Amino acid sequence: SQQGEEDPQALSIQEGENATMNCSYKTSINNLQWYRQNSGRGLVHLILIRSNEREKHSGRLRVTLDTSKKSSSLLITASRAADTASYFCATSQIIGGSEKLVFGKGMKLTVNP
Amino acid sequence: SQTIHQWPATLVQPVGSPLSLECTVEGTSNPNLYWYRQAAGRGLQLLFYSVGIGQISSEVPQNLSASRPQDRQFILSSKKLLLSDSGFYLCAWSVLAGVKYEQYFGPGTRLTVT
Repeated sequence: SQQGEEDPQALSIQEGENATMNCSYKTSINNLQWYRQNSGRGLVHLILIRSNEREKHSGRLRVTLDTSKKSSSLLITASRAADTASYFCATSQIIGGSEKLVFGKGMKLTVNP
Repeated sequence: SQTIHQWPATLVQPVGSPLSLECTVEGTSNPNLYWYRQAAGRGLQLLFYSVGIGQISSEVPQNLSASRPQDRQFILSSKKLLLSDSGFYLCAWSVLAGVKYEQYFGPGTRLTVT
């Protein structure tokens, strides 16, 4: 079943602008992760934020997590054309000793040069 | 360093034909292994996961099966493909390390059933 829902589903911006993507989920989580997928390729892990964290940075990426609102946001600052990709949030639950990631449908980001 | 391989990269198969997709992981031991399917414009659907050799859990009833004959080998199979089996299949691995459970994905296999 789908847990994370990204918003907006598509975003087109100019190079240098910031891009903000939001993710909402429904159940309690261990952590929330953001992934990136270039067209026709596998997913690449970007950043993980634990349920007891509120904000995390990695290079040009900033992730926030609000567990009371069951939402997260991914901010990409100073975007580049190479940031063009689909971005997925995934919520992590441990069930039966194995991690399960439940992915959203993804959000397509286009950065125009 | 760890690497994950999937093959083939693309596959076109007729309805009713068998399927075998293979995934192997290098550079780690006893990983959790996963098979996902991604339909066009959709998120990832978890099909199978495995915590050890011979241990397979199925997430959704379907025309597919999975096997793990070796620690770092995960195979997705079907005896008779359906049109609805078309999609992008992704293998992934993870290792439990504290509270970090990042998954690492292979390059994927694009399957078209005609």
